[in-house]
Amino acid sequence: EVQLVESGGGLVQPGGSLRLSCAASGFTFSSYEMNWVRQAPGKGLEWVSYISSSGSTIYYADSVKGRFTISRDNAKNSLYLQMNSLRAEDTAVYFCARDPRLYGGHQFDYWGQGTLVTVSS
Amino acid sequence: DSQMTQSPSSLSASVGDRVTITCRASQSISSYLNWYQQKPGKAPKLLIYAASSLQSGVPSRFSGSGSGTHFTLTVSSLQPEDFATYYCQQSYSTPITFGQGTRLEIK
Repeated sequence: EVQLVESGGGLVQPGGSLRLSCAASGFTFSSYEMNWVRQAPGKGLEWVSYISSSGSTIYYADSVKGRFTISRDNAKNSLYLQMNSLRAEDTAVYFCARDPRLYGGHQFDYWGQGTLVTVSS
Repeated sequence: DSQMTQSPSSLSASVGDRVTITCRASQSISSYLNWYQQKPGKAPKLLIYAASSLQSGVPSRFSGSGSGTHFTLTVSSLQPEDFATYYCQQSYSTPITFGQGTRLEIK
């Protein structure tokens, strides 16, 4: 069974940092591209970042570029999101999502349960 | 960036109804369009990918169509478990973008 389990969320002050983790199981993690998607309270979905299966290709949303860093450790079946210079508008549930690249596009076929990041003083 | 606009933003319907949700892209995205269902407090669920392909395990009452800039998600006969929020998502280009969502409520 495919499972994605996020951790690392919590309350942080503006300007602070957090590192989110996503532990993957039930599939060959190293063969799949991965993404982070977030959802502010009561709002819609916002794509945050993408990483290829090898980690060689990375994309970011403009809203987080220069502040967030996506990475992965295929030996540990884990995905990470290092978040620096956090702002109130980064407050959201952060989901990791598997990207099977069906028909050449990006889709998110399995999602974790999400981890809540709250940026507040 | 490809902006995605869904309509309506909310919709009231009854069990057994046929409903259609529309998603428009600000520029052509070919068929790089996916649909998700999200229930409160849960992660989204992939329903349709590549505009019209049904994800494994999704009931056949869900269908998608369209290409270019105009897409639709249709539920042929609403079931109680279908009341949720639906999102479209384009992956023709980065940044990947979602529509604002359509909340489907029970009438």
